[in-house]
Amino acid sequence: QVQLKESGPGLVQPSETLSLTCTVSGFSLTSYSVSWVRQPSGKGPEWMGRMWYDGDTAYNSALKSRLSISRDTSKNQVFLKMNSLQTDDTGTYYCTREGRVATGYFDYWGQGVMVTVSS
Amino acid sequence: QITLTQQAESLWVSPGEKVSITCRASQSLLYTDGKHYLSWYQQRPGQTTKALIYHASIRTDGVPTRFIGSGSGTEFTLSIEDVQPEDIALYYCLQTLKKPNTFGAGTKLELK
Repeated sequence: QVQLKESGPGLVQPSETLSLTCTVSGFSLTSYSVSWVRQPSGKGPEWMGRMWYDGDTAYNSALKSRLSISRDTSKNQVFLKMNSLQTDDTGTYYCTREGRVATGYFDYWGQGVMVTVSS
Repeated sequence: QITLTQQAESLWVSPGEKVSITCRASQSLLYTDGKHYLSWYQQRPGQTTKALIYHASIRTDGVPTRFIGSGSGTEFTLSIEDVQPEDIALYYCLQTLKKPNTFGAGTKLELK
């Protein structure tokens, strides 16, 4: 069945770089797009960016200067790297699969990984 | 960017009642294909986020028929008829018409 699982460090120092991995199963990254979404505690989610099924990427302009999304299709993994982290980057980070083309919704979500930015 | 406003932070319901959660967009979410790019999600503690509705009114696979999405243009509603205890959760709307995709701030459904 379709599964997504985020992994990465739970604690990051201010000004450092966050690296997260989304490992997927049950579908191909060349057939479905994957987005990263984050959610500060007690607040609404924020869409960060997308790895399209064709390898193209799209970013939230608010994060674009700090964010990079890539993938390794042979390992069924999508990667997020974000630099210059600050305390307001603290929150839960999710990877999500997007439904088939033109449905425009996120049909499967990972459990999320909690990231705390603190010294 | 498109702002989604979920006016109610919390709504209190009793089991068996009907409740409606609204989501207002700062511009129309209707695309040239005739579909609205508005979806609804449920978040429960300890569970993965669940997609309920897409294209404003289409239930995703396995979602109970008591969940009903409606609306058009800029005004959308998620209605839950005959609320069950397991429906107590956070609900979010999401627009994917334009980048950046944006979420509403969420509505928490609570038991009276």
